[in-house]
Amino acid sequence: GAVVSQHPSWVICKSGTSVKIECRSLDFQATTMFWYRQFPKQSLMLMATSNEGSKATYEQGVEKDKFLINHASLTLSTLTVTSAHPEDSSFYICSAPGQGAVSNEQFFGPGTRLTVL
Amino acid sequence: AQSVTQLDSHVSVSEGTPVLLRCNYSSSYSPSLFWYVQHPNKGLQLLLKYTSAATLVKGINGFEAEFKKSETSFHLTKPSAHMSDAAEYFCVVSEFPGGYQKVTFGTGTKLQVIP
Repeated sequence: GAVVSQHPSWVICKSGTSVKIECRSLDFQATTMFWYRQFPKQSLMLMATSNEGSKATYEQGVEKDKFLINHASLTLSTLTVTSAHPEDSSFYICSAPGQGAVSNEQFFGPGTRLTVL
Repeated sequence: AQSVTQLDSHVSVSEGTPVLLRCNYSSSYSPSLFWYVQHPNKGLQLLLKYTSAATLVKGINGFEAEFKKSETSFHLTKPSAHMSDAAEYFCVVSEFPGGYQKVTFGTGTKLQVIP
């Protein structure tokens, strides 16, 4: 089946630094990927839609200059949290839609736990 | 507009008793519906999905859900709860308005299983 990986699985950084999170579709191509953020004991909130070869689409209230998204290839999307602050600490999850018969299904990465000190 | 409502934020059952997690949705299109489970500090695992085929969907670990269009519901059930079922469960709606995919998560239901 379709597998999505994320790297790193967890990261701790100092306030003011930037952190890059990678999302890869391992055995299929994804022209679109989705980035979510999940705060403790809350649901997943869609942050942005990553589009291969074009600009990402951000949800209302998400700062595009703070959360930089690059979809450089059909199997890789990156989310960079710039000038991270403690309030950015969260669980970040990416997903990619399947292909063919499972094109209406999202395949989720395992998530990246970000802690900003 | 698309929305998902999980009616219970927390459900507690005794081990061996039935589980019912409720989900209602609204959609302007023909949606696909999913249930995911998330164990603490883990990613999401697909339990089952409805994609316009049979309305009674069977998933992994003994879970099943029934799509009821007239009630706009997609409740998740299991005949007998196991301790390992304790986790957070999310109902998800997916549709394709205007040719692009839109996915909406419910707020989640935390299932507690009492020994």
